[in-house]
Amino acid sequence: KAGVTQTPRYLIKTRGQQVTLSCSPISGHRSVSWYQQTPGQGLQFLFEYFSETQRNKGNFPGRFSGRQFSNSRSEMNVSTLELGDSALYLCASSLGFGTNEQFFGPGTRLTVL
Amino acid sequence: QKEVEQNSGPLSVPEGAIASLNCTYSDRGSQSFFWYRQYSGKSPELIMSIYSNGDKEDGRFTAQLNKASQYVSLLIRDSQPSDSATYLCAVKRGSNFGNEKLTFGTGTRLTIIP
Repeated sequence: KAGVTQTPRYLIKTRGQQVTLSCSPISGHRSVSWYQQTPGQGLQFLFEYFSETQRNKGNFPGRFSGRQFSNSRSEMNVSTLELGDSALYLCASSLGFGTNEQFFGPGTRLTVL
Repeated sequence: QKEVEQNSGPLSVPEGAIASLNCTYSDRGSQSFFWYRQYSGKSPELIMSIYSNGDKEDGRFTAQLNKASQYVSLLIRDSQPSDSATYLCAVKRGSNFGNEKLTFGTGTRLTIIP
């Protein structure tokens, strides 16, 4: 079974631009969660989507948004990029219910200049 | 108080010895507990999950959970150089439908010395 895939793997943007990241979950998984990882803050929860609906949201500004499509693929968007948005963005896939486990994709490394 | 606390290390263990990694959490409503391993430059990889008090063994790995003490640990037996990585403890509040948020500790960096 194929794992979680994320595209692109690397991105370089400048301040003020916007970016869209994509995540395809493991086949059969209906939940996609997004996390930001930085050296200073560690892994921080952004939001979670299940059946095209945002079910949970972390403490990030409204510049961070996401969506999920009917095939469970998910995208996250960051508008008006700031230097502090430079991070590894990880998506995790899970069944979405029960005592289920989350499996991470390889991540997208975003650098904001 | 941080929601999930881990000793950041680095923790150095001789090859072949037992590595012991610890994690405490503050939310008594937490129901699901996970250990992830993250190699430098890579994404986290799930290595253990535990939901009930006691021990759970999988190969060289043993997870231990004590909900009364709000404590979860990971033991790695017969440590190998390939075990050198950062180990992340993650906690999920509920096991029920609708709550997938994982709260992570900052991780413990483990180095196995040949």
